[in-house]
Amino acid sequence: QKEVEQDPGPLSVPEGAIVSLNCTYSNSAFQYFMWYRQYSRKGPELLMYTYSSGNKEDGRFTAQVDKSSKYISLFIRDSQPSDSATYLCAMSASGGSNYKLTFGKGTLLTVNP
Amino acid sequence: KAGVTQTPRYLIKTRGQQVTLSCSPISGHRSVSWYQQTPGQGLQFLFEYFSETQRNKGNFPGRFSGRQFSNSRSEMNVSTLELGDSALYLCASSLMDRGLNGYTFGSGTRLTVV
Repeated sequence: QKEVEQDPGPLSVPEGAIVSLNCTYSNSAFQYFMWYRQYSRKGPELLMYTYSSGNKEDGRFTAQVDKSSKYISLFIRDSQPSDSATYLCAMSASGGSNYKLTFGKGTLLTVNP
Repeated sequence: KAGVTQTPRYLIKTRGQQVTLSCSPISGHRSVSWYQQTPGQGLQFLFEYFSETQRNKGNFPGRFSGRQFSNSRSEMNVSTLELGDSALYLCASSLMDRGLNGYTFGSGTRLTVV
């Protein structure tokens, strides 16, 4: 079983729709959870960062972490064509010598005008 | 504010050659990490440096190596290139130790091995 699972999609939605992106993980040591957006031919761009469980909101984006279920989500409200990109979840453990992010494979999202 | 700068952007090499990729982190960032991105495997961790010390290394063969200089700039080297090394190599830097506030990525170096 991979440490982080993410549905690769592709996901196609009309402009204005609410988008839900999800990842599951198996490593209970993960404490830090991030969502990155990657446009074609660019590096990943940090969208949201959450520590432990709970919700975090930033504009049209909401990140949720449910550590009991080992499940994280990113919601995009009022989606725009400019949101079309690959969305990557990433996680990191705390303590010890762990200084790395473990990524999901990414979900390709297309928002149609 | 300048972002993470990676050079070169594109590179074509022949099997058996070696290559050196360069990364300049955001000013003040002392943690630098390298990742390999391929369509099949996604983003995979290569190594992480902090204050010139390699603190963690991913599951890659010894042909992959790196270093960090006193000004936090970093280089990675791949020797005896194989076709499977074709990938986007991404460098990321972080202000805080352990990247606890997230990492900022560069645009990457796209390496093609022929």
